[in-house]
Amino acid sequence: AQSVTQLDSHVSVSEGTPVLLRCNYSSSYSPSLFWYVQHPNKGLQLLLKYTSAATLVKGINGFEAEFKKSETSFHLTKPSAHMSDAAEYFCVVSGGGGSQGNLIFGKGTKLSVKP
Amino acid sequence: NAGVMQNPRHLVRRRGQEARLRCSPMKGHSHVYWYRQLPEEGLKFMVYLQKENIIDESGMPKERFSAEFPKEGPSILRIQQVVRGDSAAYFCASSDRGTYSNQPQHFGDGTRLSIL
Repeated sequence: AQSVTQLDSHVSVSEGTPVLLRCNYSSSYSPSLFWYVQHPNKGLQLLLKYTSAATLVKGINGFEAEFKKSETSFHLTKPSAHMSDAAEYFCVVSGGGGSQGNLIFGKGTKLSVKP
Repeated sequence: NAGVMQNPRHLVRRRGQEARLRCSPMKGHSHVYWYRQLPEEGLKFMVYLQKENIIDESGMPKERFSAEFPKEGPSILRIQQVVRGDSAAYFCASSDRGTYSNQPQHFGDGTRLSIL
């Protein structure tokens, strides 16, 4: 069975400093992994996806994530935080297998950005 | 803007009433997914539909909940005889191919359901 664990429920950074949001996954096969961002009272926006091509994936708004099979990790990073990055971030694995439609979400990490 | 459209954005019902949530997928998308988000939780998959067919309903509660995606018109998530525990945000997503293709799902802004 597939699962994701987001290691931090809250992360707080200062504007202009790096962002690191941690995610570990569990999968019985080669997974597809995604990061989504959710701003308050809005839907989810896709930041980036990994689908077994390059292990370093670049997304929108300066975010990127690195797939590390040996560590079963897919951490999200950004070199310099902006105030507009304050939101909740979800690490997601595609269920696959017998669950054709299933995206499996982590519990989310709330990112706060201080001026 | 041809994004995923959900309505209503907010829905208030009293216990025992029915709730109907609508979702129009992105133009050209024929795959629709419904998720539920409880407070302080991630999204939980409920059901995956293609036009006129339910493909995967493994996340759907066995009673009171149903979903459809007719040939014409939006997808509907129906909750009968609502209870307080149904209060949540319900999100719809769509894709142009199924998840085996690794195509990302595009999400609507959700319907916030409150049960009095």
